[in-house]
Amino acid sequence: EVQLVESGGGLVQPGGSLRLSCAASGFTFGTYAMSWVRQAPGKGLEWVSFISGSGSGTYYADSVKGRFIISRDNSKNTLYLQMNSLRVEDTAAYYCAKAGSSWAYFDGWGQGTLVTVSS
Amino acid sequence: EIVLTQSPGTLSLSPGDGATLSCRASQSVSSNYLAWYQHKPGQAPRLLIYRASSRATGIPDRFSGSGSGTDFTLTISRLEPEDFAVYYCQQYSSSPLWTFGQGTKLEIK
Repeated sequence: EVQLVESGGGLVQPGGSLRLSCAASGFTFGTYAMSWVRQAPGKGLEWVSFISGSGSGTYYADSVKGRFIISRDNSKNTLYLQMNSLRVEDTAAYYCAKAGSSWAYFDGWGQGTLVTVSS
Repeated sequence: EIVLTQSPGTLSLSPGDGATLSCRASQSVSSNYLAWYQHKPGQAPRLLIYRASSRATGIPDRFSGSGSGTDFTLTISRLEPEDFAVYYCQQYSSSPLWTFGQGTKLEIK
């Protein structure tokens, strides 16, 4: 069974940084691409970033490009999201998600970690 | 960028009813790369349907997906109490890029 557990969320001031982690188990981590998806309070789901299984391909939503960095450590079965220059509008629950073999959908999700950007 | 518009925004039904949720894309979704998710407050989202009409592992057969091109539908027959949640459609296109619809809230009438 796929298990994804996010951590690292919290309260940070605008302009600050935070690093999220996602510990994966129940599948061969390095074989699958992974993604981060967020949900702002009262809003819908928004795709944030994506990384291939090897880590060689990374993709970002325009709203976070140049500020967030996705990475992975396949030896530790862990996905990361380094968030810099945080803005109030980055406040959201951040979910890590396992991509299906075609990259087109996400067939496993964590329960999320909450990031609050506020002064 | 393909924009997905879901309707209705809220659907009020009773257990045992059937539900029809719509997802319309601003451009044709290539290879029918359209998925549906169920999301309950405080829980992880759950994949229901991928490639427009294929049920994900463990999803009951009362959930079905249909459509192609720009118009897609999620149908839930015989609503169970646990089916009341928010439902999102999501598409994948080359770039690559993933976008979600704004969601349909299915609530108990």
